[in-house]
Amino acid sequence: DTAVSQTPKYLVTQMGNDKSIKCEQNLGHDTMYWYKQDSKKFLKIMFSYNNKELIINETVPNRFSPKSPDKAHLNLHINSLELGDSAVYFCASSHGGALAKNIQYFGAGTRLSVL
Amino acid sequence: DQQVKQNSPSLSVQEGRISILNCDYTNSMFDYFLWYKKYPAEGPTFLISISSIKDKNEDGRFTVFLNKSAKHLSLHIVPSQPGDSAVYFCAARAAGNKLTFGGGTRVLVKP
Repeated sequence: DTAVSQTPKYLVTQMGNDKSIKCEQNLGHDTMYWYKQDSKKFLKIMFSYNNKELIINETVPNRFSPKSPDKAHLNLHINSLELGDSAVYFCASSHGGALAKNIQYFGAGTRLSVL
Repeated sequence: DQQVKQNSPSLSVQEGRISILNCDYTNSMFDYFLWYKKYPAEGPTFLISISSIKDKNEDGRFTVFLNKSAKHLSLHIVPSQPGDSAVYFCAARAAGNKLTFGGGTRVLVKP
């Protein structure tokens, strides 16, 4: 009954490969996010979707492509993986809307290691 | 350019005493501030928040203070408990429901 679940928890792969990380939430939220936590431990927003529509798209290489089949799922596909992509990726979800408190609920993270 | 900064990377405090975590921001357009707590191998979990129109919000042992003129907020935990040992992130909200996080402060509560 995990609220925000990400799979896999760990991902080890070679440079140049393509990989996907999946995220699902059962909180009934309409907005989902992807964050990257780098080696310096900063959490930075990458993307945000509201009802399957992209609303935040930070300066992220276009090798990263989020896909939202429905509002409960936001997957992250990464093409041609590079060493610098090694990080922990967190999925989150929240209610949307300007009046919402925007309390984001996070998944446990996916640790990606590119060799 | 870091818009949200937590200048103390770590803090050690005795059980039962007060923990004070600080956070500074530069963007005056932030309208909501949140604190998250993170244990190893887990995602951040929401702790407490404050609107930019308030200067204090209290929830049990946790109190957040906001000084808008100084662009500074702090989190007070009293009394500190060993289970409070974690990394605490300050976050600020701007338009589009976008959160900007600080770099985190690792708190160690000694029994």
